[in-house]
Amino acid sequence: DAGITQSPRHKVTETGTPVTLRCHQTENHRYMYWYRQDPGHGLRLIHYSYGVKDTDKGEVSDGYSVSRSKTEDFLLTLESATSSQTSVYFCAIRSGTGNSPLHFGNGTRLTVT
Amino acid sequence: DQQVKQNSPSLSVQEGRISILNCDYTNSMFDYFLWYKKYPAEGPTFLISISSIKDKNEDGRFTVFLNKSAKHLSLHIVPSQPGDSAVYFCAAVITGGGNKLTFGTGTQLKVEL
Repeated sequence: DAGITQSPRHKVTETGTPVTLRCHQTENHRYMYWYRQDPGHGLRLIHYSYGVKDTDKGEVSDGYSVSRSKTEDFLLTLESATSSQTSVYFCAIRSGTGNSPLHFGNGTRLTVT
Repeated sequence: DQQVKQNSPSLSVQEGRISILNCDYTNSMFDYFLWYKKYPAEGPTFLISISSIKDKNEDGRFTVFLNKSAKHLSLHIVPSQPGDSAVYFCAAVITGGGNKLTFGTGTQLKVEL
C-alpha cells in the first residue's frame, strides 16, 4: 500500500450531511491526490496537494473541499453530501521526483442515501 | 470530454496466450503514459510506464507500445496468467504542474484456464 491509509473504508450517510474522508501517508511524499472511481468514468481527479496548505482543483471538484495541514494527512470534505457523490474514493501519493508514479490507497466506499 | 479512452470494457483470453489492451488519447500535450492494474476492493497498482520519446518499454511479461502519430498505446501481457485477471487502466499526464493523471475508463481482463 506504499504507506497509505484511508479511513473510513466504508461509510453510509444521508443526503445533506457533512462527510470527511481521511488519507494518511507515512512516506513523507510531497504530492497527494483524491480521485473518485465511477462506472463508465474510470478515475477522475477531485483535488490534489503539492505541499502543506498548497492545494488545487481537479476536474470534478464541485461539492468537495480539501485541507492539508500536515505533510502526512490530506482530508477530503463533502460539505453537504448528495447522492451523486456516492462513489469509491481513492487517495494517492507521489514523491515528486521526475515521473514517479502515483501510489494509491485501498479506497473508501461512500454511499449517500 | 474523455481525453483518454479505452474502448473495450472487457477482454477474455486463455492462459498462456497474449493479452492486448488498447488505449487512445486525444490531447497531444500528454508526454508520459502509465498502466495500472486494479483488483476488487483494492487501489490501483502501478504496472509500467512509457515516455513519449520512446515507442516501447518492457518489464518482464509486460510491454507497452506507444504510437504517437496515432495517439495510441497498448499493453501486451505475454504469457497471460490467471492472476492477471483484473481491471486495467491506462493513464496519461502532462509532466510538470502537479503531474495530474488522466485515466481511461478501464478494461476488465479475464484470463481463463
